[in-house]
Amino acid sequence: QSVLTQPPSVSAAPGQKVTISCSGSSSNIGNNYVSWYQQLPGTAPKLLIYDINKRPSGIPDRFSGSKSGTSATLGITGLQTGDEADYYCGSWDSSLSAGVFGGGTKLTVL
Amino acid sequence: QLQLQESGPGLVKPSETLSLTCTVSGGSITNSNYCWGWIRQPPGKGLEWIGTIFYSGRTYYNPSLKSRVTISVDTSKNQFSLKLSSVTAADTSVYYCARHVRSSGSEDYWGQGTLVTVSS
Repeated sequence: QSVLTQPPSVSAAPGQKVTISCSGSSSNIGNNYVSWYQQLPGTAPKLLIYDINKRPSGIPDRFSGSKSGTSATLGITGLQTGDEADYYCGSWDSSLSAGVFGGGTKLTVL
Repeated sequence: QLQLQESGPGLVKPSETLSLTCTVSGGSITNSNYCWGWIRQPPGKGLEWIGTIFYSGRTYYNPSLKSRVTISVDTSKNQFSLKLSSVTAADTSVYYCARHVRSSGSEDYWGQGTLVTVSS
């Protein structure tokens, strides 16, 4: 069981918007940074969002991040079939002194 | 462009020690802005953070694996390594090495991953 909680799956039509939630606690999301990763089938995870809402170079602004209290959200607008992937949230847990990930959310673009 | 490459045996026997090395190219492992870490992913499952090391040798480990894990760094070779002892079938996973950005806590560069199967 993962320290951070994500929905197992979400789906939406091409061109639409989807959000993926990540719930944690005061020892991780509530008082530490949040990152989001995209894992396309058969590939290594790729950093999408860091420091709650910053995008690395090359990541389109269709991807956004936010945080409220002990939860974080990844937003994806203008969905494309190429966005079908598993998405993971990550944070640092101060109580564990360790990194933690969510269980992952599979995005289906119908 | 920074690159990370995992290497090591793809098959390990139960009760033995899994050993992997990550070679970093295109950047120095002694850059104080970064740590270097290992993450694994069992087939069909999610990511599990294993641990991270600073070039000075300071380590942080997943509490659930701490008794079996050792991460070390060789600055002369620009490499860091993972040892996981007393492995069982549950340790069968794709193992990734990654660069951990200290200021944001994110893993911004990842290796391609290597599948390690625990089986007799």
